[in-house]
Amino acid sequence: DAGVIQSPRHEVTEMGQEVTLRCKPISGHNSLFWYRQTMMRGLELLIYFNNNVPIDDSGMPEDRFSAKMPNASFSTLKIQPSEPRDSAVYFCASSFLGEGQPQHFGDGTRLSIL
Amino acid sequence: GEDVEQSLFLSVREGDSSVINCTYTDSSSTYLYWYKQEPGAGLQLLTYIFSNMDMKQDQRLTVLLNKKDKHLSLRIADTQTGDSAIYFCAEPLNYGGSQGNLIFGKGTKLSVKP
Repeated sequence: DAGVIQSPRHEVTEMGQEVTLRCKPISGHNSLFWYRQTMMRGLELLIYFNNNVPIDDSGMPEDRFSAKMPNASFSTLKIQPSEPRDSAVYFCASSFLGEGQPQHFGDGTRLSIL
Repeated sequence: GEDVEQSLFLSVREGDSSVINCTYTDSSSTYLYWYKQEPGAGLQLLTYIFSNMDMKQDQRLTVLLNKKDKHLSLRIADTQTGDSAIYFCAEPLNYGGSQGNLIFGKGTKLSVKP
């Protein structure tokens, strides 16, 4: 079974550039989550969607971050302009909608902003 | 507060048992989860326990739940070097509109020495 697919796996770019991270959730799942993981802060929830609708974006650090989910099988997380402090591993996860449903994670995008 | 708490590090010798502890926040949580993260990978659902259970065993893994103290533990018997990873405890975030959202602890890094 295909799991959550993220691309790219690695991204290195210079500060000021636009970065777009992509995620394909597990087919049939109707909740999607974007996380950021760093050594300092651990795993942080940035935003999540239920049925393609953003529910809670309070974890998005700044207006430079935006996320979209145009359909049930695709989501993007965009950073514009990027800064060195955005360097982290970004994970996408998906689940069935409902209390306590386990989330299934992709392998992440390791982002380095120079 | 809404913090799931775990100790950050655990070191054991190969063949010994490992016990990873977690304190969660919401006594009404229906499911509690353990995730495993290996280097360079996303979080993988390891096991879970339903709140009406005190114990769940799955091969080398034993999950113990103390609802009174809101304490969850994961025991790994006969720990192997391949068990070296970060282990996250997670519970559902229970408030209106939060369906599907999980709260993760900061993770316990398990190091297994040969």
